[in-house]
Amino acid sequence: GDSVTQMEGPVTLSEEAFLTINCTYTATGYPSLFWYVQYPGEGLQLLLKATKADDKGSNKGFEATYRKETTSFHLEKGSVQVSDSAVYFCALLTGANSKLTFGKGITLSVRP
Amino acid sequence: DVKVTQSSRYLVKRTGEKVFLECVQDMDHENMFWYRQDPGLGLRLIYFSYDVKMKEKGDIPEGYSVSREKKERFSLILESASTNQTSMYLCASSALSQGNTEAFFGQGTRLTVV
Repeated sequence: GDSVTQMEGPVTLSEEAFLTINCTYTATGYPSLFWYVQYPGEGLQLLLKATKADDKGSNKGFEATYRKETTSFHLEKGSVQVSDSAVYFCALLTGANSKLTFGKGITLSVRP
Repeated sequence: DVKVTQSSRYLVKRTGEKVFLECVQDMDHENMFWYRQDPGLGLRLIYFSYDVKMKEKGDIPEGYSVSREKKERFSLILESASTNQTSMYLCASSALSQGNTEAFFGQGTRLTVV
């Protein structure tokens, strides 16, 4: 079945540091890929998405490129801020009647 | 621009009560989902629905049921609440069609069963 693997956390960075959060997937067919962010006490917000190979999703300084050859969708940001502290989930969706499949999520803490 | 709305942010219920969690989406999405989120366990799928009156069990359906009488509304029902159902419940909807792939979540309902 479909699966998403995220790197182990938590991750703690200093403000303005470079961020990479790894995500790899296994899926039948050609999934759409998503990153969601969850701030404390909130639901999940869509951060960015990519629907086909080599697409780059971007939003709020975050980027992720859909790499079919490595089945990856790593999240990057050049300079993190304290306000980026949250839990980040990688997810995929395949087929018209498929379920969203999530990674376990990773907690990012950014210190001033 | 609210897209997925859950009826309550916080709920406190007693053991044995019947509990209804409501979710409404305004995007005409075919698919709707209920997840629960617990520390260290990530998001676990309870039920999902890909059409009106259709439902599919997720990974942890025991103790829950669902109802989808209208396309925009997906209800999660705890027939007899128990303390181990204390959790954050998240509703989502999605659509997958050419040129339009999206999935959105509600703000979550934190349920406490006492």
